[in-house]
Amino acid sequence: NAGVTQTPKFQVLKTGQSMTLQCAQDMNHNSMYWYRQDPGMGLRLIYYSASEGTTDKGEVPNGYNVSRLNKREFSLRLESAAPSQTSVYFCASSERGDNRDFSSGANVLTFGAGSRLTVL
Amino acid sequence: GIQVEQSPPDLILQEGANSTLRCNFSDSVNNLQWFHQNPWGQLINLFYIPSGTKQNGRLSATTVATERYSLLYISSSQTTDSGVYFCAVALYTGTASKLTFGTGTRLQVTL
Repeated sequence: NAGVTQTPKFQVLKTGQSMTLQCAQDMNHNSMYWYRQDPGMGLRLIYYSASEGTTDKGEVPNGYNVSRLNKREFSLRLESAAPSQTSVYFCASSERGDNRDFSSGANVLTFGAGSRLTVL
Repeated sequence: GIQVEQSPPDLILQEGANSTLRCNFSDSVNNLQWFHQNPWGQLINLFYIPSGTKQNGRLSATTVATERYSLLYISSSQTTDSGVYFCAVALYTGTASKLTFGTGTRLQVTL
């Protein structure tokens, strides 16, 4: 059981280049998320997908686009990379994101291993 | 949005010591999770605890939602407990629980 798999693990880009971070989960989860982590800070939500076919902005969406390709896969695209996008990116999933039965744990996040992106 | 404050920001313990990490949040929440980020960067969920108390081995957590805080207890600490501990909270809005993370408590356990 692989859980949440992200690729690539490391990437160096030049300013203005584009790239896509891939994320796949094999837990049949409905909700998927992209976070970024910067030094000395917690994680900040970029985009999320509450269920297949839907996506929505998080706290820091500028400069990014996402695609929920199917239930398993959620990709993050940088169309024109900027040095401010240098960060570690984490994909996560949860069984649900809207579970009102708060004793069930269906909202628990499982994270991928992270992708370290450097923009020069 | 909800503000999350964690304390202390840094903590150094000798192996075998106990510790308490605190998470304060600014508004009502119905989703609170504790995570451990190990020195290699992997984030692991420790507890899903919107209210009440849970225990898992040497770790336990308590959330008092009405007073807007949660505590993570680590007993008999081991070097493998080193890393950063994050608290994350959310208020269900009808579509998804968008967790807001604190800035973490960095724990170093020494021999």
